[in-house]
Amino acid sequence: GENVEQHPSTLSVQEGDSAVIKCTYSDSASNYFPWYKQELGKRPQLIIDIRSNVGEKKDQRIAVTLNKTAKHFSLHITETQPEDSAVYFCAARSNSGTYKYIFGTGTRLKVLA
Amino acid sequence: DTAVSQTPKYLVTQMGNDKSIKCEQNLGHDTMYWYKQDSKKFLKIMFSYNNKELIINETVPNRFSPKSPDKAHLNLHINSLELGDSAVYFCASSQTEKLFFGSGTQLSVL
Repeated sequence: GENVEQHPSTLSVQEGDSAVIKCTYSDSASNYFPWYKQELGKRPQLIIDIRSNVGEKKDQRIAVTLNKTAKHFSLHITETQPEDSAVYFCAARSNSGTYKYIFGTGTRLKVLA
Repeated sequence: DTAVSQTPKYLVTQMGNDKSIKCEQNLGHDTMYWYKQDSKKFLKIMFSYNNKELIINETVPNRFSPKSPDKAHLNLHINSLELGDSAVYFCASSQTEKLFFGSGTQLSVL
């Protein structure tokens, strides 16, 4: 069945350093890959997304890369700040018609001041 | 204006009770979802409706019954609540790609 693996499950970085979170998906029909940030007690919020026809996308300090051949995509956060501390989820959405979003297992990012 | 709103925010109840969670979106989206987030933070899809029609029905106990009276509303009714049903339930909606979540309902079954 469809599956999205996400690593690492926890990540601690010093303020100002970079953080990288990696995901792998199994469904070849996936064509849309969003990333969500969930702060404690809050809803998941979309922070960046990428479509399957694009290899890389950047928005200020965050960027996402996609390797469709290897079915890998990654989130890169540069110059991390304490407010970046949260749980981050990757997801893959299939183009099969049911619009099913499969989420990774989440990465708890801690930015140490 | 809140785009995807769900009520109640907190729900504390006894085992065996029946409860409902309501969700409404004012984004004009055709597709709505229910996700369950357990204590380990895993987000699992439960159901999805597209324009009032059930299109995703994952392996969920039949004690859970979704209802979509119109495309702006998707409710979740749970019968005979069990301890393992304790979780945060998120409603969400989408039109083409971006998925928007409600603020969540924290269900605690005692």
